[in-house]
Amino acid sequence: GENVEQHPSTLSVQEGDSAVIKCTYSDSASNYFPWYKQELGKGPQLIIDIRSNVGEKKDQRIAVTLNKTAKHFSLHITETQPEDSAVYFCAARSFGNEKLTFGTGTRLTIIP
Amino acid sequence: SAVISQKPSRDICQRGTSLTIQCQVDSQVTMMFWYRQQPGQSLTLIATANQGSEATYESGFVIDKFPISRPNLTFSTLTVSNMSPEDSSIYLCSVGKAGNEQFFGPGTRLTVL
Repeated sequence: GENVEQHPSTLSVQEGDSAVIKCTYSDSASNYFPWYKQELGKGPQLIIDIRSNVGEKKDQRIAVTLNKTAKHFSLHITETQPEDSAVYFCAARSFGNEKLTFGTGTRLTIIP
Repeated sequence: SAVISQKPSRDICQRGTSLTIQCQVDSQVTMMFWYRQQPGQSLTLIATANQGSEATYESGFVIDKFPISRPNLTFSTLTVSNMSPEDSSIYLCSVGKAGNEQFFGPGTRLTVL
């Protein structure tokens, strides 16, 4: 089955700087890669996703890149703000399989 | 996106008892899932709730411990049976339409004493 690894497990970034979180996946049939943000006491919130026919996707300060050859994808947050502090999860899903496999999570702390 | 509500939002239960968690969505969805998130951990899929048929359980999860109902396309329940302290977790409902995004409910925070 699919295996998703996520790094780093914790990340502290000065406010205004950029943050990058990386994930690798094992199943070459995976074709959908969402990112979720989970704030304390809340459920995960979908913040951006990318499909395998696209190499990069951007939404304001958030971007995701995908390298299918290397089987890894990354979340980039620019101009970080205190409200970006949360736990971020990556996930992967294969075509025809509706189940998401999650990474282990990254606790991002923005230092004012 | 979908608006998902879960009841209860949190509960404290005695070992040996059972708790039923409800998940309600504001629109019809194809897929409904139940996840468990242990403290400080990632999300683990318990089962896929199938409308009109038995749920599909992941390895390590069984129907006797986690019975699931899904009577229609907007509602599902998960029961945590014969609870022990090891069942203390956040239980999350997730919904989606086949091939598309999945969204999560706010979660139910369960503490078993």
